[in-house]
Amino acid sequence: GAVVSQHPSWVICKSGTSVKIECRSLDFQATTMFWYRQFPKQSLMLMATSNEGSKATYEQGVEKDKFLINHASLTLSTLTVTSAHPEDSSFYICSAREGRSNEQFFGPGTRLTVL
Amino acid sequence: QKEVEQNSGPLSVPEGAIASLNCTYSDRGSQSFFWYRQYSGKSPELIMSIYSNGDKEDGRFTAQLNKASQYVSLLIRDSQPSDSATYLCAVNTQAGTALIFGKGTTLSVSS
Repeated sequence: GAVVSQHPSWVICKSGTSVKIECRSLDFQATTMFWYRQFPKQSLMLMATSNEGSKATYEQGVEKDKFLINHASLTLSTLTVTSAHPEDSSFYICSAREGRSNEQFFGPGTRLTVL
Repeated sequence: QKEVEQNSGPLSVPEGAIASLNCTYSDRGSQSFFWYRQYSGKSPELIMSIYSNGDKEDGRFTAQLNKASQYVSLLIRDSQPSDSATYLCAVNTQAGTALIFGKGTTLSVSS
């Protein structure tokens, strides 16, 4: 099956620093990747949709200058949380869509803790 | 506003029983339907996809779709304690767009 990886799996950082999270499709080309955030005991919240070679589309209420998304290739998308604050602490999960399929496969997630 | 509704549960069933998880969606133009399983602290895992009316079976899992009623369900036969997780229903209204997720139903299977 389609495999999506994320790196790092967890990160702890100080308030004010920036954190980059990588999402890779390992055995398929992902024309579209999605970034989600999940707070404890809450549902997945879509943050943005990322298409290879173009600017990401952000959901309402998500600050595009704070959450920088780059989808430079068909197998890699990155999310950078700039000037992170404790309220940004969450579980960040990417998913990737394989070709023309509507199925989306999730990465294992990155748990971010901002002190 | 496109919505996907699920009963949050918890749904408790004894080991070996059939667990029935339900989901309704608001957009009649929805085309693709998915069930994901999410264990606590982990990311969602795709377990079933269904695109046309009727039943689709895969091992102990059966997905059922009724577009006229805007209803999709997941049946888990011979439930096991390892099936205890949150089950997310997701709907796609247009190819290539983001999935719309329900809030999930928590299933607890007791041994």
